[in-house]
Amino acid sequence: RKEVEQDPGPFNVPEGATVAFNCTYSNSASQSFFWYRQDCRKEPKLLMSVYSSGNEDGRFTAQLNRASQYISLLIRDSKLSDSATYLCVVKGYSGNTGKLIFGQGTTLQVKP
Amino acid sequence: DARVTQTPRHKVTEMGQEVTMRCQPILGHNTVFWYRQTMMQGLELLAYFRNRAPLDDSGMPKDRFSAEMPDATLATLKIQPSEPRDSAVYFCASGLVRGENTGELFFGEGSRLTVL
Repeated sequence: RKEVEQDPGPFNVPEGATVAFNCTYSNSASQSFFWYRQDCRKEPKLLMSVYSSGNEDGRFTAQLNRASQYISLLIRDSKLSDSATYLCVVKGYSGNTGKLIFGQGTTLQVKP
Repeated sequence: DARVTQTPRHKVTEMGQEVTMRCQPILGHNTVFWYRQTMMQGLELLAYFRNRAPLDDSGMPKDRFSAEMPDATLATLKIQPSEPRDSAVYFCASGLVRGENTGELFFGEGSRLTVL
């Protein structure tokens, strides 16, 4: 089983739709969580960190459920420019050293 | 505008040849990661360094891959000998880690490797 798992999609949605992605992680000791965005043939870039109480940044809302070990990303009023791959990232541990582990990503296509 | 710089951007080589990829992390960052991305596996962590010391390279095939940081401004990833299955995009990323807090990771544009 992978340490971080995501539904690869693709999710095809019309402009203006609300879409949600989930991500599960296997290591209950994980403490830091992030969403990164990767455009086609580009490098990943940080979208937002995920805090325990949940957090919002404009149209984007991230939630963390420690009991069930999953993270979610909600995008409201989706735009064409939101089309990208969204990568769930978890800070895992190998001994005492933290390392950032990426999920395979969920692809979103927003259609006109 | 500080950024991570990777070279080469593209590399086509023949099986058995040595490949060296270089990365210049952002000045002041204390952590450097090497990732490999393929369609099948996504982003896989190969190795990472904190203050130039290797912390974890368990994701790297040791028989042919090696990663080093000869100084704070240069990280290298070497494959010798290369094989067709090594074809992928190799990303270097750097960040500033303080205690348990992992800040944002900044990625280079990647080195696209094709091994024939």
